[in-house]
Amino acid sequence: EAQVTQNPRYLITVTGKKLTVTCSQNMNHEYMSWYRQDPGLGLRQIYYSMNVEVTDKGDVPEGYKVSRKEKRNFPLILELPSPNQTSLYFCASRLTGTGRAFFGQGTRLTVV
Amino acid sequence: ELKVEQNPLFLSMQEGKNYTIYCNYSTTSDRLYWYRQDPGKSLESLFVLLSNGAVKQEGRLMASLDTKARLSTLHITAAVHDLSATYFCAVDKEEYGNKLVFGAGTILRVKS
Repeated sequence: EAQVTQNPRYLITVTGKKLTVTCSQNMNHEYMSWYRQDPGLGLRQIYYSMNVEVTDKGDVPEGYKVSRKEKRNFPLILELPSPNQTSLYFCASRLTGTGRAFFGQGTRLTVV
Repeated sequence: ELKVEQNPLFLSMQEGKNYTIYCNYSTTSDRLYWYRQDPGKSLESLFVLLSNGAVKQEGRLMASLDTKARLSTLHITAAVHDLSATYFCAVDKEEYGNKLVFGAGTILRVKS
């Protein structure tokens, strides 16, 4: 089954404790991205990757890092999480830079 | 800069009624997308609209695109409770790295 898998689904952490949210897709898609969803703001892109070893900032990259060492995986790293990063995070993949995006199930992160 | 505005942001309607959600975007885009999100769930792709005058229909939902007016509509016919969800429109454009720029979303509640 074609899917984008994120882990964990829920995470509560403390300020400053590094964390990684994993994202994996099984569709051989080139384009992957991370979004955060906040009430009233829709989804905003954090980072994207057009292919292995190619990443770029989206609209709200501050406080986040990503890597793309393999085509299927695109982890999101928060090295020093802060409460303003409390949000719902989605990973998405697309075959190329166009076409419909497939979204993961989401990760609800709370930073206290 | 790509910006997307949806209205209304909240819509409460009776079963059997018709209504339209509007999506305006700020500059020419390459593609327009409609997504559905059920509470606590991921985003599901509904429609991809590519060209002026494009119309797509699935069940009680019909989406259209007017690129000259920079407007897309999502029309709901004879609403049923199962259509209750949040609906997002999004656009992308190659010169912006093909990132999806989302509207704030329209929360639709269909009352029996």
